[in-house]
Amino acid sequence: SAVISQKPSRDICQRGTSLTIQCQVDSQVTMMFWYRQQPGQSLTLIATANQGSEATYESGFVIDKFPISRPNLTFSTLTVSNMSPEDSSIYLCSVVAGSGGNQPQHFGDGTRLSIL
Amino acid sequence: GNSVTQMEGPVTLSEEAFLTINCTYTATGYPSLFWYVQYPGEGLQLLLKATKADDKGSNKGFEATYRKETTSFHLEKGSVQVSDSAVYFCALSDPTSGTYKYIFGTGTRLKVLA
Repeated sequence: SAVISQKPSRDICQRGTSLTIQCQVDSQVTMMFWYRQQPGQSLTLIATANQGSEATYESGFVIDKFPISRPNLTFSTLTVSNMSPEDSSIYLCSVVAGSGGNQPQHFGDGTRLSIL
Repeated sequence: GNSVTQMEGPVTLSEEAFLTINCTYTATGYPSLFWYVQYPGEGLQLLLKATKADDKGSNKGFEATYRKETTSFHLEKGSVQVSDSAVYFCALSDPTSGTYKYIFGTGTRLKVLA
C-alpha cells in the first residue's frame, strides 16, 4: 500500500488567513482525494484531484475556498482560504494505489487545524 | 442513492469481550465494502475489505462478511483489547462508477476497559 505524508500535522491559525496543506505519496497514483472531518464527525469529501485535470468539487465546496493543486502523480496541495472558526477540522488526503475498481483508499494521518 | 448506516456509539466493553459493530448499506449494483479504524490523533487505516457477496474480510482478529441478502457488513472480534479503542468506519464504493468515491458511515467509537 502507498505511504502518504501530510504536512503540517497540525496548526493553529488566525481567522482570515490561509493555510496550504501538502500531501506527498511514495508512489505514483492517479486518484487523490481531499476530505474534511469535523470534530466527532465522519469524513466529508471535499474534492477529487486527478493529475492532469482540474479538481472536481463536491456539493458545498468551492474552488475559491479550497483551491487544490495536483502538479504530478505523487503530490497535491489543499489550501484553506480566508479561514474562520468553522473551518476547524481535520483535513485528510487519500489515494487509490493500483488499478481495478475494487482498490481501497489509503489515508494520510491528517492535518489538525484550529482557527482562533 | 447509495448509503451506509452504522450503529451508534460509543460502545464500551471490558477487555476480552466479544465485539459486534453493525453496518448496513443500500446500493445499486455490487458495491465493495470496507472497514477502517481511526486511532486517536491518526488518520484512517484500512482494517479489512470485501468485494463480492459472501466474501469474508479479516485482519488483526477482526472479521466481516459481505451479506448481500441482508445488505450488511458487520464487524466482529472475538476478544477485544484495550489497544482496540478507536473509531471504526464502515464504507462502500461502487467499482463500476470509475470514481472510487466512498460513502462513509457515521463512525462508531469503541472504548475497551481493562
